[in-house]
Amino acid sequence: GEDVEQSLFLSVREGDSSVINCTYTDSSSTYLYWYKQEPGAGLQLLTYIFSNMDMKQDQRLTVLLNKKDKHLSLRIADTQTGDSAIYFCAEKETGANNLFFGTGTRLTVIP
Amino acid sequence: NAGVMQNPRHLVRRRGQEARLRCSPMKGHSHVYWYRQLPEEGLKFMVYLQKENIIDESGMPKERFSAEFPKEGPSILRIQQVVRGDSAAYFCASSKTGVENIQYFGAGTRLSVL
Repeated sequence: GEDVEQSLFLSVREGDSSVINCTYTDSSSTYLYWYKQEPGAGLQLLTYIFSNMDMKQDQRLTVLLNKKDKHLSLRIADTQTGDSAIYFCAEKETGANNLFFGTGTRLTVIP
Repeated sequence: NAGVMQNPRHLVRRRGQEARLRCSPMKGHSHVYWYRQLPEEGLKFMVYLQKENIIDESGMPKERFSAEFPKEGPSILRIQQVVRGDSAAYFCASSKTGVENIQYFGAGTRLSVL
């Protein structure tokens, strides 16, 4: 089965940039997603990237995809305390209906 | 435009009871997915349904679990004779048809089995 890995924890100071990393094993991934989960809440779709792209920017968020290394990252510029949450990387394989999720990275923003 | 609605938000059951979790997809969405999240883990796919059809149930436990998405009404995930190991957050997602398959998630139902 597909393997999606993320580091478990990340702490940054308010105002700094955060970079959350994700690696995956399936070379037939078509779309890759970043979701945010706040305590006790559901998953909020932040952004996604198609596998033939290498970068996507959306306001404070920048997604970088290195397809050769199967590495995805999410950069949050000017991180705020409201960004504290768990961030999940997910990927969709060609022909699959479901998403495969990483274990999530818990981002803590220190004021 | 309401998002994906799940209820109840919290459900407590004793071992051996039945749990019924409901999910109403976003307006205009005809595809529903159920995922389970165990504590400190990511989400694991359970089942994918379209109206009146189960399309993919490869992630569903073979016993005690069933899902439906009737022509009218919400999708239901049913767990019979619950055990403590069923305690988890159950998330529903919905999508429109299309290659991008953007899945939008509900707030989840947190099931606790005593």
